[in-house]
Amino acid sequence: GQQLNQSPQSMFIQEGEDVSMNCTSSSIFNTWLWYKQEPGEGPVLLIALYKAGELTSNGRLTAQFGITRKDSFLNISASIPSDVGIYFCAGQRNAGNNRKLIWGLGTSLAVNP
Amino acid sequence: DTGVSQDPRHKITKRGQNVTFRCDPISEHNRLYWYRQTLGQGPEFLTYFQNEAQLEKSRLLSDRFSAERPKGSFSTLEIQRTEQGDSAMYLCASSRNIASGFYNEQFFGPGTRLTVL
Repeated sequence: GQQLNQSPQSMFIQEGEDVSMNCTSSSIFNTWLWYKQEPGEGPVLLIALYKAGELTSNGRLTAQFGITRKDSFLNISASIPSDVGIYFCAGQRNAGNNRKLIWGLGTSLAVNP
Repeated sequence: DTGVSQDPRHKITKRGQNVTFRCDPISEHNRLYWYRQTLGQGPEFLTYFQNEAQLEKSRLLSDRFSAERPKGSFSTLEIQRTEQGDSAMYLCASSRNIASGFYNEQFFGPGTRLTVL
């Protein structure tokens, strides 16, 4: 099925470092969502973006909806060990009645204490 | 505030057996989604309901798969004659239906991990 291009695929960083990841698409989305998933659990919603250019923060997390509507990035500042997990971007179109999400393949984050 | 719940969390079955999973969405959410996720992949859409109506099914949903949401509340996903390729995490999500497109965030349950031997 259709997927978003998410990068990097994985990151291994030191505690305290900042992290940046992004998603790109060849088509336009009306909503971008960022999720975090830990092993054996379902994805947990971190940030939702609804307007092109929108910049939204949730604690140490900041995400932006690209002006072209074809990309989004997520930044994590001052990483801590509990940030470990897989971060997924997901795009959503409002065309039609379906609200299904199109997903990236995830960015696996490891934090060295 | 209870989130989306799924039962069971883990299921191990032998090939050829039938299995059924249950999802209880957030109470005020009228949309319910089923996804399948395999290792190293993002979730893949299977089907969704608005209230009790099943509005779309993915091509991934073969004839062996059936989903119901009889009263517009909880939903069940049944897999008949399971195959080893059905082994995956089955995720349920729910959302409100807001016509403007805003506040359509999908909230996920913990998933049911299916292993077919």
